Amino acid sequence: QKEVEQDPGPLSVPEGAIVSLNCTYSNSAFQYFMWYRQYSRKGPELLMYTYSSGNKEDGRFTAQVDKSSKYISLFIRDSQPSDSATYLCAMMNGGATNKLIFGTGTLLAVQP
Amino acid sequence: DTAVSQTPKYLVTQMGNDKSIKCEQNLGHDTMYWYKQDSKKFLKIMFSYNNKELIINETVPNRFSPKSPDKAHLNLHINSLELGDSAVYFCASSQSTGAWKGFFGQGTRLTVV
Repeated sequence: QKEVEQDPGPLSVPEGAIVSLNCTYSNSAFQYFMWYRQYSRKGPELLMYTYSSGNKEDGRFTAQVDKSSKYISLFIRDSQPSDSATYLCAMMNGGATNKLIFGTGTLLAVQP
Repeated sequence: DTAVSQTPKYLVTQMGNDKSIKCEQNLGHDTMYWYKQDSKKFLKIMFSYNNKELIINETVPNRFSPKSPDKAHLNLHINSLELGDSAVYFCASSQSTGAWKGFFGQGTRLTVV
């Protein structure tokens, strides 16, 4: 079993829909949780960063972390065709190494 | 100005050759990483350097040798390339203190034929 599990999709939604992306994990030592967006043939770019449990909102994006269930989510409101990309969850323990463990990524397509 | 830049962007080479990928960051970060992304888009860490010191060395064949001449540069040398080394290699940087701000380069697409 992988440390971080993520449904690879693809997920296809109409423009304006609310998108829900999720990851589960097994390592209870993870404290830092991120979402990265990766466009085709580009490097991952950091979208959201959360420490421990709770919610964080940034514009149309909301990240949720539930450490008791070992479950994290990213919600995208009013989705746009420009949101079409692969979304990667990532997490780490923290400490000296800052070693990120990634999920496999979910491919999202927002249809105009 | 590109924050994390890698060269080359594309690399096609024959099995058995030796090749290098270079990475530079201008963010003033103290930690740099190499990640490998396979054909299924799975990103896995290979190495990490903090202030030129190796701090993460995952289970990677010893044909892969990173080198950090200073904290702004991290290069990756690969000896005796194999077909299975074909992947996209990403360099990343972060600051070891404070909130996580990990920046990735654009990737080097390595194809071994």
